[in-house]
Amino acid sequence: DQQVKQNSPSLSVQEGRISILNCDYTNSMFDYFLWYKKYPAEGPTFLISISSIKDKNEDGRFTVFLNKSAKHLSLHIVPSQPGDSAVYFCAALTGTASKLTFGTGTRLQVTL
Amino acid sequence: EPEVTQTPSHQVTQMGQEVILRCVPISNHLYFYWYRQILGQKVEFLVSFYNNEISEKSEIFDDQFSVERPDGSNFTLKIRSTKLEDSAMYFCASSETTSGNEQFFGPGTRLTVL
Repeated sequence: DQQVKQNSPSLSVQEGRISILNCDYTNSMFDYFLWYKKYPAEGPTFLISISSIKDKNEDGRFTVFLNKSAKHLSLHIVPSQPGDSAVYFCAALTGTASKLTFGTGTRLQVTL
Repeated sequence: EPEVTQTPSHQVTQMGQEVILRCVPISNHLYFYWYRQILGQKVEFLVSFYNNEISEKSEIFDDQFSVERPDGSNFTLKIRSTKLEDSAMYFCASSETTSGNEQFFGPGTRLTVL
């Protein structure tokens, strides 16, 4: 069941540059999307979310873009910092369900 | 800042034994969840709980699993007869509402079944 897909298992970005993490989904019933960050041996930490009625949401260095027609969302981190190195999960919800459906994650490495 | 806590951080058990994983959700949250992550795989939903009953469960959450809110603060996941394939990180989460509201995760319990 690959309703939420993150096709890049890893990404390496230089400090100060932009990190772009991508996520695709297949279920058109999803209407709320979230990005979580996860360090080893810790639980996922909520970063930013977006409702399907919007196409952009910004919070500090983090911006999420949603393209509903393409069933695609992306997380932009700018400028990237070494502390951003972690695994990033895209997750989705439907209006009638309570469960988060997660992608497989993208490991971001921010180098000096 | 309020946070979800989980105990123990690591549980080792023999196959066939019962385990109880414990969670203390954020105090004003009304919705509670369990997820698991098998090593190298994605985080998977197990069950959601609201108003003292299960509101949704996945196909993974079969008869060997149960959840309970024994008092006003704890939320537990019981695995009755553990199997080798139950070895995973188990995450508890809570939220104020459901859709449109973020779920906050605990640090997880690593369950190892030998």
